[in-house]
Amino acid sequence: DTGVSQDPRHKITKRGQNVTFRCDPISEHNRLYWYRQTLGQGPEFLTYFQNEAQLEKSRLLSDRFSAERPKGSFSTLEIQRTEQGDSAMYLCASSISTKGSTEAFFGQGTRLTVV
Amino acid sequence: AQSVTQPDIHITVSEGASLELRCNYSYGATPYLFWYVQSPGQGLQLLLKYFSGDTLVQGIKGFEAEFKRSQSSFNLRKPSVHWSDAAEYFCAVGHSGNTGKLIFGQGTTLQVKP
Repeated sequence: DTGVSQDPRHKITKRGQNVTFRCDPISEHNRLYWYRQTLGQGPEFLTYFQNEAQLEKSRLLSDRFSAERPKGSFSTLEIQRTEQGDSAMYLCASSISTKGSTEAFFGQGTRLTVV
Repeated sequence: AQSVTQPDIHITVSEGASLELRCNYSYGATPYLFWYVQSPGQGLQLLLKYFSGDTLVQGIKGFEAEFKRSQSSFNLRKPSVHWSDAAEYFCAVGHSGNTGKLIFGQGTTLQVKP
């Protein structure tokens, strides 16, 4: 078990380009979350999956953002037509859904810079 | 709506001194509460969690936190701070509905003086 893995760790892109990030959760975890963190702020929830089903999306997730988890394992987050305001750290987390709550384990994040 | 407030944006303590980081939450029922730590450019590491039971919870790295329902607080403490504790600390509350979604506070940056 190597924990939650995110790729790439850093991405610099020009405004208007599309970018895609990947997250590999802990293998037995059926829930996967995406958060966005801007400088000096706490992470903000974007979306989450239980297995392959996307169960909730935040209003922060504009129509330029799309997330998938096609086989209930890894997930991708794509941002189309990037804007400077998209510059942030994108964090992925995973957990196991059980009766009651459980903690989420976070990856190292992908730092996106839009120039 | 659920929310988390960390009143102190930045705290500086001397190495060896005690530490208390404040966290207040707004939640209608018994909350699930967490403290995470983040080093620069890194992801979040869980320090400790409260789900139910004993209101004083022990975590990793010598940290503890106390849940006080009457004050809607979940303050993080450490009796003696080490230089390696310098980082950003986030308090979070688990969202209702048991989705596992977390609502985070703004964070407190801890600086440790030698």
